[in-house]
Parts: sequence; C-alpha cells; structure tokens
Amino acid sequence: KQEVTQIPAALSVPEGENLVLNCSFTDSAIYNLQWFRQDPGKGLTSLLLIQSSQREQTSGRLNASLDKSSGRSTLYIAASQPGDSATYLCAATQGGSEKLVFGKGTKLTVNP
Amino acid sequence: GAVVSQHPSRVICKSGTSVKIECRSLDFQATTMFWYRQFPKQSLMLMATSNEGSKATYEQGVEKDKFLINHASLTLSTLTVTSAHPEDSSFYICSASPLAGGLDTQYFGPGTRLTVL
Repeated sequence: KQEVTQIPAALSVPEGENLVLNCSFTDSAIYNLQWFRQDPGKGLTSLLLIQSSQREQTSGRLNASLDKSSGRSTLYIAASQPGDSATYLCAATQGGSEKLVFGKGTKLTVNP
Repeated sequence: GAVVSQHPSRVICKSGTSVKIECRSLDFQATTMFWYRQFPKQSLMLMATSNEGSKATYEQGVEKDKFLINHASLTLSTLTVTSAHPEDSSFYICSASPLAGGLDTQYFGPGTRLTVL
C-alpha cells in the first residue's frame, strides 16, 4: 500500500529565498507523481506532474524532481514570493493504478 | 481549459438529512471521476472512483450505502451523503480525468464544505 510523507509539515521563509519541499513514497511502482497547491478552504491547483519515466519537470519558478529508486521527490521554489504562501501537497499513484495517495502537505509561509 | 466545478461550495444541514453534491467538468468529457474527503489538517483520502455509466468503486472503509455516487453523464457526477451525521462533516473534493481509468492528470474541483449539526 502506498504511503506518502511530506517534510517539513510547515515552513516559514523570507521573501526571495529559494526553498525545497520534500516528499517520500513507499511504493516505487508509481505511474506518476504530482504536486498541488491548496489555498485555505479551497480546492487543489495542479502544479507539476512527473511521469514515472521522467526525472524532473519545470514550470516557471517551480522545479520538481523524481527519484523512484529512493522513493523521493522534491519541489524546488526559486525566489519565493508572499503569493506562494499555501499548502503544497504531493500525491503519488498507488501501484499501477490511477488512484492518488496524498501526503499531509507542507504549509509554506513566505514573509514579505 | 479543464475546469471542474462543484455545487454547492458550502452546505450546513441537520443530522439525519441527506445532502447531494454535484461535480461537473465544464469543458471536457470526464470518463473517470474521483471523490475525496479531507478532514481538518489531514490529507485528502480517496473515497471512490466512478466511471460513466457503471457503478462506483469504493475504497475500503467507505460505506457505499451511505455515500451514493452517480456518474450518469460524461460531465456530471453526484455524491449523496445519506442520513448525514456530525462525523460526516468534512471537505469533499471531486476530480475528473478525461481518459478512461484516470491515467492522466486529474483536474480538481474547488471542494464542498459540509457541516452537519
């Protein structure tokens, strides 16, 4: 059974800092891994999707990497801004299915 | 593109009543839709997977007779919480995938906050 863990649970940084969010998963037989953003009381916004055959994906200031062998993914945010403040969720598919297993998220606060 | 809506966004009901939540894909046909539940400070937990025209597949521990799912068209799925109780209070989020089996990115709705008094 897939389990997803995110560290740290919360992170507070000053504006402009580069940061890394970590995600680990127990079952390496994933179909894909996704990173989402969730604002308080809101739904999810998909940030990046990495297929199992890929090692990283980039979108603007965001870069996500995937290392299946070690069961890890990282989300790198460059030059953080107050608008980046949100909870970031990592989700990995379970086995060869489409079912997503989510971590508990990392709550990011970027201070002006 | 790929917008998913949910209605209502927030609902408060009395214990024992039933509540229906709608999930719509606005600009694509969703072969597969998923329903998730999120308790405060917890991660999203998959409740069930539904494919258009067939019965939903429920995750272990989710009562199918309590959480009725209907996916009657390629753009609409509904979740009915029957005889709701305070412990059913949660944030319910749906997602939709344009491909069969959901083997593509899932597009998430904005969620429905259910409060059962």
